[in-house]
Amino acid sequence: GQNIDQPTEMTATEGAIVQINCTYQTSGFNGLFWYQQHAGEAPTFLSYNVLDGLEEKGRFSSFLSRSKGYSYLLLKELQMKDSASYLCAVRDRDYKLSFGAGTTVTVRA
Amino acid sequence: IAGITQAPTSQILAAGRRMTLRCTQDMRHNAMYWYRQDLGLGLRLIHYSNTAGTTGKGEVPDGYSVSRANTDDFPLTLASAVPSQTSVYFCASSATLGGFNEQFFGPGTRLTVL
Repeated sequence: GQNIDQPTEMTATEGAIVQINCTYQTSGFNGLFWYQQHAGEAPTFLSYNVLDGLEEKGRFSSFLSRSKGYSYLLLKELQMKDSASYLCAVRDRDYKLSFGAGTTVTVRA
Repeated sequence: IAGITQAPTSQILAAGRRMTLRCTQDMRHNAMYWYRQDLGLGLRLIHYSNTAGTTGKGEVPDGYSVSRANTDDFPLTLASAVPSQTSVYFCASSATLGGFNEQFFGPGTRLTVL
């Protein structure tokens, strides 16, 4: 199985940058996903990393270090609509996803 | 239908009753999944299906059963509901298993067992 840790809550100011860290322990790593989930809604896909390094997609970037069991999601130029929970998920060799408990980000004006 | 639909949206159920949560996707995805989401615990996999006709157990399968008679539908059944099954249930699907294949989630079913 997987053991996935991420902070419970983070608060940042509109226009700022926030970095959400995720550490994991896995018996078989086969990719890492980040999802965004607004309150009362379904999770939606943000990013995918399978090799070490940085993946950039607009205001969002995700980094992976497989040797350290570590990933982060970077949110730049924060907007009020970015207030949501951010879920780190690790895929195993059987292609099943295990999710962290999620990080609730609150963006303040 | 566009994407994944789930029914009902919400349900209050007496303990001991049988309940089937419905999930339908129109994307012709091979793989489908059922998760439950509880505060502080995140999403946990209940059952999954890699392709029509096959199913597998996830992290928390006890008290739940699934079937996958065709590509589009993946119902989740609680044979005899218990209060600990109060949760938000999400169905998801992905085109295939490996590579860059994100899971798409349905809108969820909020279930309360009294």
